[in-house]
Order: sequence, then C-alpha cells, then structure tokens
Amino acid sequence: AQSVTQPDIHITVSEGASLELRCNYSYGATPYLFWYVQSPGQGLQLLLKYFSGDTLVQGIKGFEAEFKRSQSSFNLRKPSVHWSDAAEYFCAVGGAYSGGADGLTFGKGTHLIIQP
Amino acid sequence: DTAVSQTPKYLVTQMGNDKSIKCEQNLGHDTMYWYKQDSKKFLKIMFSYNNKELIINETVPNRFSPKSPDKAHLNLHINSLELGDSAVYFCASSQGGWDSHSNQPQHFGDGTRLSIL
Repeated sequence: AQSVTQPDIHITVSEGASLELRCNYSYGATPYLFWYVQSPGQGLQLLLKYFSGDTLVQGIKGFEAEFKRSQSSFNLRKPSVHWSDAAEYFCAVGGAYSGGADGLTFGKGTHLIIQP
Repeated sequence: DTAVSQTPKYLVTQMGNDKSIKCEQNLGHDTMYWYKQDSKKFLKIMFSYNNKELIINETVPNRFSPKSPDKAHLNLHINSLELGDSAVYFCASSQGGWDSHSNQPQHFGDGTRLSIL
C-alpha cells in the first residue's frame, strides 16, 4: 500500500529565511507526487507536481521540489519565505495504476509558522 | 468562476439526521472524488467516481453514498449521522479517465465543515 510521511508536524521559520519541508513516500511503482497548500478555512491549492522527467520541478509562489528516487523523497523548498506562506502543507502520492482513480494518499501535513 | 464548488460551506445538524453535500465542477473533468479531513487535518480518500464507475474506500461506512446525476456533479449523501462524522469534507476532480495512465492533478473545492451536535 502506498503511504506518505511528513516527519515535521510544525516548522517555524523567520520571514525571509529559506524553507525545506520534508516528504517521504512509499509506493511500489512509479509515483506521481504532489504538494498542496491549505490556508486556514480554505481548500487545497496545488503548488506543484512531479510525473516524470526533470527531477527538480518548479511550482507556483516561488516553490520548488526535488524528486529523489534513491531516497524516496520529494522535499519542498523555497529560498525566501513570506508571511503569507504560513499555512498547512500536504505532500501526496497518486498511483500510476488506473490514472490514480483510487485517489491521492496524503501525508499528515506540516504546519508552517512564519516569525516576523 | 469557481472550478470546484461545494455547498453548503457549513453544515450543523443533529445525530441521526440525513444530510447531503453538493459538489459541482465546471472544468470538464472526467473523475470526481470525495475526501474527509479529520480534526487533525488528516485527509483520506472516501470515493472516486468516473463514468458511472465507483471506487469505494473500504473503511467508509455504508451510511455514506455518492450520487452523480451527471458528469459535472458528485453529491455526498450521509444517513444516520454520528458524532464521528464531524469533519471537513472536500470534493475534488481531475482530468482523464481511469485508463489514461496519467495521474492528472486534482482540483479541490473549499470544503464543507460538518458539525454534529
């Protein structure tokens, strides 16, 4: 069965500092990987996705993520965070089988706090 | 225009009642989903629905049933509500059918917060 681990429940970063959110996945075949962000009281917004090809993917809002097959990781990074980045971040894996019809498997999320 | 819209945004009701949450997507997507987010923010797939074929997460009680009047809608019906049903329910949709072998990103609605008294 597929699974996603986000080892950090909370992360606090100063505004302007760099950010890395960790994500490890377990999947028996080629994983399709996603990062979503959820602001308080809001739905989930897709930040970026990895399907194949270049292992460093660029997303919206200045985020990027790197797929490392050898480490089963898909860590999210941003060089300089803004106060508006404070939110809940979810890593997710989808199955290549049947177009992901069985839905995404999410990690438990990382709550990002930005210090002024 | 909202891509995936859910109504209502908030739903407060008593134990034992039957309620429905509506979901509509205007993206022309082929597959729709329902997820449940618990109080600890954990998201779990409940249903996937494509072209009248349904995949059900085996942990979902049969009090929950999705109904799709057409390709753009997937409503969630819940019978005999229980305290443990309190959560935020998200609808999502994605392009491509189940034979497409390409996992297109899912677009989410803003969620329906269900509170059981």
